[in-house]
Amino acid sequence: AQTVTQSQPEMSVQEAETVTLSCTYDTSESNYYLFWYKQPPSRQMILVIRQEAYKQQNATENRFSVNFQKAAKSFSLKISDSQLGDTAMYFCATRDDKIIFGKGTRLHILP
Amino acid sequence: SAVISQKPSRDICQRGTSLTIQCQVDSQVTMMFWYRQQPGQSLTLIATANQGSEATYESGFVIDKFPISRPNLTFSTLTVSNMSPEDSSIYLCSVGNPHYEQYFGPGTRLTVT
Repeated sequence: AQTVTQSQPEMSVQEAETVTLSCTYDTSESNYYLFWYKQPPSRQMILVIRQEAYKQQNATENRFSVNFQKAAKSFSLKISDSQLGDTAMYFCATRDDKIIFGKGTRLHILP
Repeated sequence: SAVISQKPSRDICQRGTSLTIQCQVDSQVTMMFWYRQQPGQSLTLIATANQGSEATYESGFVIDKFPISRPNLTFSTLTVSNMSPEDSSIYLCSVGNPHYEQYFGPGTRLTVT
């Protein structure tokens, strides 16, 4: 069965700093997809970044990048030059036959 | 990406009643999903709704309690039947694309008294 573990329930960093959110997962599939989603307070969930497991190159989207370690089943999200608008709940997710979400990391960006 | 709207955005309902939540998408999509999310918690998949077929329910969710309709490729409804306070939650509609990315609606915040 698929599982997704986010070991950091809550984090706080100063604005402009870099922060890394951890995620480990387990799946029996060889081809799967990994995602990070962001849910700002009282706002809609949005997709931040996606990684296909067969691609070795780490995905990047502007200030957001991932460190994908397939053998270790690790998929961390790095946010560079953090901004106040990055304050949100971040969910790691994996999909083989269906998408499974982790419990989330609540990230606070402090001014 | 898809633009998804949900109605109602929130509601307060009495125990024993039913509420139907509507989900409208601005483009045709094959796969739609319904999730439940306790505030500040993760998402739990209720069911997958594909147009033209019966919804597929996840373990712990049954059609009698959460009937789903999917009359066309842009619309779906989820009904929460015979509600109890334990059904108080946020209900989210989501659609998927061929890259397995999912896009979410704004959610319906349900409070059962």
